[in-house]
Amino acid sequence: DTGVSQNPRHKITKRGQNVTFRCDPISEHNRLYWYRQTLGQGPEFLTYFQNEAQLEKSRLLSDRFSAERPKGSFSTLEIQRTEQGDSAMYLCASSVTSGRGQYFGPGTRLTVL
Amino acid sequence: KQEVTQIPAALSVPEGENLVLNCSFTDSAIYNLQWFRQDPGKGLTSLLLIQSSQREQTSGRLNASLDKSSGRSTLYIAASQPGDSATYLCAVLRDSGAGSYQLTFGKGTKLSVIP
Repeated sequence: DTGVSQNPRHKITKRGQNVTFRCDPISEHNRLYWYRQTLGQGPEFLTYFQNEAQLEKSRLLSDRFSAERPKGSFSTLEIQRTEQGDSAMYLCASSVTSGRGQYFGPGTRLTVL
Repeated sequence: KQEVTQIPAALSVPEGENLVLNCSFTDSAIYNLQWFRQDPGKGLTSLLLIQSSQREQTSGRLNASLDKSSGRSTLYIAASQPGDSATYLCAVLRDSGAGSYQLTFGKGTKLSVIP
């Protein structure tokens, strides 16, 4: 049973560039979540998918952010026109149901110069 | 709005000591509570999951308790080891009745176990 995987693990970009991250959940998990974590803080919820449907988006997810899960398997998170304030760890999690806990990947560390 | 607080923010103990980490939450209408471990620059590792109907869960040297009515949970670590050094995060899942999915996290307790 492989865990949640995320790519890339690190991304350095210049302000104004677009970046895309990928998350592969645990294979039998139909629920997928994105969180963002800044230094010294706990993760904050961004968005949630059940299969391919995006059912909830946080107010943190501005218009520059878009997430997809086209076939109900892997998911991508794209940030357009990156800003220095986007620098953070982006974490993906998956679960079978709400009651059985969420399981996290290693994260993608984004640095915007 | 659910708020989760973890005390202390940092803790340093000598190897072999037993210790308790505290987590409190403002809204008792939770579905479950999860304790995680995070090593520097890494993702989160799930340690224990407690359902709202349960009082405690145990895994090896770890024991987590839940008092839902008072909005508190504790993580007890027995016979601490240097390898336990990490940040420990508490997170609650809201019981919205319509399908709960969003974890709310505390800021964590940074634990250092000194050899």
